[in-house]
Amino acid sequence: NAGVTQTPKFRILKIGQSMTLQCTQDMNHNYMYWYRQDPGMGLKLIYYSVGAGITDKGEVPNGYNVSRSTTEDFPLRLELAAPSQTSVYFCASSFPGGQTEAFFGQGTRLTVV
Amino acid sequence: DAKTTQPPSMDCAEGRAANLPCNHSTISGNEYVYWYRQIHSQGPQYIIHGLKNNETNEMASLIITEDRKSSTLILPHATLRDTAVYYCIVRPELRSGGSNYKLTFGKGTLLTVNP
Repeated sequence: NAGVTQTPKFRILKIGQSMTLQCTQDMNHNYMYWYRQDPGMGLKLIYYSVGAGITDKGEVPNGYNVSRSTTEDFPLRLELAAPSQTSVYFCASSFPGGQTEAFFGQGTRLTVV
Repeated sequence: DAKTTQPPSMDCAEGRAANLPCNHSTISGNEYVYWYRQIHSQGPQYIIHGLKNNETNEMASLIITEDRKSSTLILPHATLRDTAVYYCIVRPELRSGGSNYKLTFGKGTLLTVNP
């Protein structure tokens, strides 16, 4: 199993550009999450999904959109990039039910200039 | 979700036990204590979790006080590769159809293992 795979690993965007951060998992997990981590800070939840076709907002959803058309994929869309979205983005997945661990991808480092 | 309090940083000598404390005084009866760590710039890695009994796995031990208001993660023989930020997270037991499944990360404890 590859686990949780994120692409790209690095990206530089200009203000106002848009892009999609890709996340795919091969563990058949129902739950998937997107977090962002600013320098020196903990992770903040952007969006999450409990299954295909179901998504919901986390703590910091403004400026982002998500979709979940398949169990495996959970892309994160930035429509109008702003400098405040410069961050490291982590995707994670887990099974539902109690006492389950979440598996994280290796992150996408995004810089908006 | 209950909040957690951790010291911002700790040092430990290589080969010695690292004891990382966490306060979670508002924890509820159905909330688990989870520990994750994040090695520089990588994605967080699950370590261990528990409800009220002490737990041990190949990575670490988790000691939860009887009143469940605090816990300690123990790395029995710390190595340089254990240098990381350690996050203590309180999380309700996931139930079918429930919504409390997200992990809420604080700033964690930066553990530095020194040679």
